Amino acid sequence: GQQVMQIPQYQHVQEGEDFTTYCNSSTTLSNIQWYKQRPGGHPVFLIQLVKSGEVKKQKRLTFQFGEAKKNSSLHITATQTTDVGTYFCAGGKWETSGSRLTFGEGTQLTVNP
Amino acid sequence: GAVVSQHPSRVICKSGTSVKIECRSLDFQATTMFWYRQFPKQSLMLMATSNEGSKATYEQGVEKDKFLINHASLTLSTLTVTSAHPEDSSFYICSALDRIEPPGTEAFFGQGTRLTVV
Repeated sequence: GQQVMQIPQYQHVQEGEDFTTYCNSSTTLSNIQWYKQRPGGHPVFLIQLVKSGEVKKQKRLTFQFGEAKKNSSLHITATQTTDVGTYFCAGGKWETSGSRLTFGEGTQLTVNP
Repeated sequence: GAVVSQHPSRVICKSGTSVKIECRSLDFQATTMFWYRQFPKQSLMLMATSNEGSKATYEQGVEKDKFLINHASLTLSTLTVTSAHPEDSSFYICSALDRIEPPGTEAFFGQGTRLTVV
C-alpha cells in the first residue's frame, strides 16, 4: 500500500535558525497536504500543493512539491517559539473508493528561545 | 474553513464498558469521514474510512467488531469502542473531507477524544 515517510522525526533548533522537514511517498501522489499539530491539539491544515514542482509560501514557511509528485518539503525561515509543534505531511491520492490521505510520521519541532 | 466537532473531548470509562464518540461536520456535508488513533508523540494511524450509508472500510489489523463505526447521515459519524480495555486508551481523532473531486480535497479534523480505560 501507499507509504509516506517523513524525516527527521525530531528537530531541536535555536530561535532564529531555519528548519526543514522532508516527505517522501512510495507512489505518485495527486496532492500533498501539510498540517501542524500543537501539543495537546488536533492537526490544523496549512496548505495543499497540487502541481508538479509547485512552490508556495506563507510568510516564513515555504512548501515545495517535487517534480515527480512523490516528495515534498516544508522550510521555516528564522524559527520562532510559536512554530513549536509537530508538522505532518499527508499524501493525497484519488482511488476508485474515493480520496485517501496517508500521513507521514510527523516531525516534532522544538524551538529554544 | 469548515468545522468538524468531536464529542466528548475526554472520557474515562471502566474496563469492559463501551464508549461512543461522535464526529459531526457542522457546516458541510461529509460523505467520507476518517477515524484515526494517535499514540503519544506518534503520527496519526488510520483506523477506518467511514462512508455515509455503507459499511466502513477498516485498515488491516483494526478489529471491526471492537471499533464499530456508523455513518448514518452526511453530517454524523460515530465510533463505538466496545468492551474497552486499558490498551484501548488513546487519542482518537476524526476528520472529514470537504470535497471529494480530485485533487481539491482537504481534511478538517475534530478536536479529538482522549479515552482512558481504567
